[in-house]
Amino acid sequence: ETGVTQTPRHLVMGMTNKKSLKCEQHLGHNAMYWYKQSAKKPLELMFVYNFKEQTENNSVPSRFSPECPNSSHLFLHLHTLQPEDSALYLCASSQGPGRDRESQYFGPGTRLLVL
Amino acid sequence: TQLLEQSPQFLSIQEGENLTVYCNSSSVFSSLQWYRQEPGEGPVLLVTVVTGGEVKKLKRLTFQFGDARKDSSLHITAAQPGDTGLYLCAGASVSNYQLIWGAGTKLIIKP
Repeated sequence: ETGVTQTPRHLVMGMTNKKSLKCEQHLGHNAMYWYKQSAKKPLELMFVYNFKEQTENNSVPSRFSPECPNSSHLFLHLHTLQPEDSALYLCASSQGPGRDRESQYFGPGTRLLVL
Repeated sequence: TQLLEQSPQFLSIQEGENLTVYCNSSSVFSSLQWYRQEPGEGPVLLVTVVTGGEVKKLKRLTFQFGDARKDSSLHITAAQPGDTGLYLCAGASVSNYQLIWGAGTKLIIKP
């Protein structure tokens, strides 16, 4: 595997379910990100991890719980979601956050539908 | 709050035509990036512009950073169906380099 991978690619869940999204990067980067992408809206940065430590939490509801066991893996645990949480969830990685001109490398995303 | 506005939101043109999409803000950015996102995929970086007035070319794509580093444009010459996708701009904050994203321009090139 190369680049950034995400599983599952598609997920349908009820509001009472608990599920997890997984992201893995094979680029040797130190920083990983979770974004939410909704139609016709800018990408919303949710969480940033740098060397496994969370450095950003942009007022994300507690029903989203991130986990970063090491610099290569990132999880997003979901529980009691709302229909408005339906979106494409993108994982990205970079050499390190807070550096100018730095490229972010994205995974293909998980398309989430909450019923 | 820093905002990046992209226009148009949607553009559908015939193969061979030229087009320009815009990314505007009232804020100054340290640098600005353009990404393209195809259906079922994540965004892929096309270019980063850094200096006010800078012009970069990538084959038929020409990117320009405004003199004041508040805006940018992407011009495509002789568009091809392979150019179809969502074009996103992202400006790096001068304070912490965090990326501020536009909502994107959805481009469809018809054969």
